[in-house]
Formats: sequence, structure tokens, C-alpha cells
Amino acid sequence: EVQLVESGGGLVQPGGSLRLSCAASGFTVSGKYMTWVRQAPGKGLEWVSVIYSGGSTYYADSVKGRFTISRDNSKNTLYLQMNSLRAEDTAMYYCAREGYYDSTGYYDYWGQGTLVTVSS
Amino acid sequence: DIQMTQSPSSLSASVGDRVTITCRASQSISSYLNWYQQKPGKAPNLLIYAAFSLQSGVPSRFSGSGSGTDFTLTISSLQPEDFATYYCQQSYSTPRAFGQGTKLEIK
Repeated sequence: EVQLVESGGGLVQPGGSLRLSCAASGFTVSGKYMTWVRQAPGKGLEWVSVIYSGGSTYYADSVKGRFTISRDNSKNTLYLQMNSLRAEDTAMYYCAREGYYDSTGYYDYWGQGTLVTVSS
Repeated sequence: DIQMTQSPSSLSASVGDRVTITCRASQSISSYLNWYQQKPGKAPNLLIYAAFSLQSGVPSRFSGSGSGTDFTLTISSLQPEDFATYYCQQSYSTPRAFGQGTKLEIK
């Protein structure tokens, strides 16, 4: 059974850092595109970052230069290192696996989310 | 970057109604369009992928159509459990943009 379990969220001051983790089971993280999506309170879904199976990484403009996505194949875990945090980064952060059918990608499994609050 | 626009932003309907939600891409995305349902306090759940393919386990009252820039999600006969927020998302290119969401409420 595929499962994604996020952790690492919490309250942090503006300018601070946090590292989110997403522990995967039932599949190999290194063999899939893995994504972080966030949702500010009462708002819609915002794509944040992806790491491809080959290791390439991409970021939303809003987090570029501040966030880093990575994975640990030995732990089958995805990470999101978040530095220079701002109030507008306050959100629930979800990790998601990208499944594929006939070259179409879609997020077929999601974690339960971990809440990040940036406030003094 | 591709922008996704949904309409309406909110919708009131009754159990048994037929409902249609529209999603428009800022450029052609062929059929690289997915739909998700999200209930309060929960992660999104995949309903439709590749514009019209029903995800396993999703009731057949949900259907998707469209290609290019214009897409629709239709619920043929609303059930109480369908009241939620719906998002479209393009998978044609990175970043994988989402629409702003359509909140479906009980009339």
C-alpha cells in the first residue's frame, strides 16, 4: 500500500528555517516525480517544487532561492528545506507522488499535510 | 508559465442536480488536465486525469471533457458527499499550475 507521511512543520519566526520530511512506503521515491504543494489558510492549492526521478529540480518563483527539494534514497524520504521564511509561506504543505498514464502526469497519492506557521 | 482559470469560483446546487465546472488554460495543453476534489481538512483526491479518464474508485457520475484550452468537469447527479472544492491542474509543463478552485455548496 502506498503511503506518504509528512512531518517537520511548526511555528517559526520570519527569517527562520524548517525542514519538512515526507516518508514514503509502498513505492520507491527515487523512481517517481515527487512534488510539494502548499495551501495557505482558506486559499487554493499552490505548486511549490518537484524533483524528477533523474534528480532535476524545479521551483515556483515564489520560493526559488529559498527552498530546496531533495530526497534520501536510503530512507525513501523526500525533503523540503525552507530558509528565509516569510509570513506568506504560512500554509499546509503536502507531498504528492506523480503517477503517469500515456505520458500524462497526475498526483495519485498525497500525504496528510504538515502545517507551517511563520509568525513572530 | 501556464495559468489556469476556473469558473465559477463558487456554486450552490441541490442533491440530484447536474453540475458543470469549467477550467481554461492560458495556452493549449492538449489533454494534460487533471481534476481533484478536496474536502475540508483533507488532502486533495484525484478524480479525473488526462482530461477524461476516471481514476479508479471514483463514481461514474463524475466525468471530464475538453482539450486544448477549455475543459469541463461534470457531476451528473449530485450526492451529499460531493459538496467540496474542486481544482483543475495542468500537467503539460512545469510548474504544474492549479486553478483557483470551485467551491460547491449545498443550496
